[in-house]
Amino acid sequence: DVKVTQSSRYLVKRTGEKVFLECVQDMDHENMFWYRQDPGLGLRLIYFSYDVKMKEKGDIPEGYSVSREKKERFSLILESASTNQTSMYLCASSSRIGGNIQYFGAGTRLSVL
Amino acid sequence: QKEVEQDPGPLSVPEGAIVSLNCTYSNSAFQYFMWYRQYSRKGPELLMYTYSSGNKEDGRFTAQVDKSSKYISLFIRDSQPSDSATYLCAMSKTGANNLFFGTGTRLTVIP
Repeated sequence: DVKVTQSSRYLVKRTGEKVFLECVQDMDHENMFWYRQDPGLGLRLIYFSYDVKMKEKGDIPEGYSVSREKKERFSLILESASTNQTSMYLCASSSRIGGNIQYFGAGTRLSVL
Repeated sequence: QKEVEQDPGPLSVPEGAIVSLNCTYSNSAFQYFMWYRQYSRKGPELLMYTYSSGNKEDGRFTAQVDKSSKYISLFIRDSQPSDSATYLCAMSKTGANNLFFGTGTRLTVIP
């Protein structure tokens, strides 16, 4: 079974803090993704990576950065958290072969106060 | 116009009913079609995927793709309260990095 593990299920941070969200996958997938999910807005892609040290902006990259130093690990960084970044964050991975069928982690619910 | 359209519901059905969930899309280049189930406060779980047109069955679930109409469906037979969740459709082109998601349909199965 594919396993995508996100380091935290719930996080509470203060405005202005630097926040790290970690994601690890065990399927040797080339692609990894970070999304946020908000009621009424669906899933929105923040960043994705198709290889180690490679990254591409998604639809809403502003206020976020990412790091992929190892194939299995993809980190999302909020440089200075703001209240409008309160959301559910989802990590996913997929193989380069085929139709980019993505497997998701359990999600991190982040609250920024 | 969004590339993928999905009725958000909510949809409520009695236990044992047949459920039909649907998505339409505009891009004829889509070849891979997926359905995800997402329970409240959890991540989406891949239910089924199909390539190109046709049907695929897995237990009580059947996925159907009609490329000529740009329409995909997920049927749930003998629905159970444990099927209560949000169902997301998603699709992609061959070799693409992006998935295009519907906004999800919230389903409640009433015992």
